[in-house]
Amino acid sequence: QRVTQPEKLLSVFKGAPVELKCNYSYSGSPELFWYVQYSRQRLQLLLRHISRESIKGFTADLNKGETSFHLKKPFAQEEDSAMYYCALGRGGATNKLIFGTGTLLAVQP
Amino acid sequence: EPEVTQTPSHQVTQMGQEVILRCVPISNHLYFYWYRQILGQKVEFLVSFYNNEISEKSEIFDDQFSVERPDGSNFTLKIRSTKLEDSAMYFCASSDYGANQPQHFGDGTRLSIL
Repeated sequence: QRVTQPEKLLSVFKGAPVELKCNYSYSGSPELFWYVQYSRQRLQLLLRHISRESIKGFTADLNKGETSFHLKKPFAQEEDSAMYYCALGRGGATNKLIFGTGTLLAVQP
Repeated sequence: EPEVTQTPSHQVTQMGQEVILRCVPISNHLYFYWYRQILGQKVEFLVSFYNNEISEKSEIFDDQFSVERPDGSNFTLKIRSTKLEDSAMYFCASSDYGANQPQHFGDGTRLSIL
């Protein structure tokens, strides 16, 4: 069971599209989450795959064939600058989360 | 919106001493967790707690660590005989009943072992 976020830092200009990559390995039925941590703030849930919603313009689709759960936004805003963590939930009683190493998104003006 | 609260925000302790990190989960939540993040590394699961007992623990969570829910609101992590490598950010989280309910995190306690 592993979550891989290949990019430590992603720097884009305001208005550019954003894609934060996340790949997972898990033999069971995964639950995937994206958490965001703004500067000096707590980890906050951004998205979960089961709800299939868009939050702050971000979307993420679970691709079981490619074992990916990439986070996308068509037009980045400066306030999107933060640390983004992809997390895998294994289900069951414990609901343990396995985190990726995180990607720092820096949106330049 | 209800939040998970953690105290203290920063704890400095001499190596070999015991520390207790405190958390107040969201009041109607039933699952409680501790995670830690060593500087520059990923967030790692330590332990989950449900129905007044540990439901899962990681290999990191050895006999040096213990958790307790001493009353209806607090959830504590005790680290005995601290080591330098215990220096990390410790996060408490809680979630509602049900498979893969989202976990809500506290601000964390930065533990520094000297």
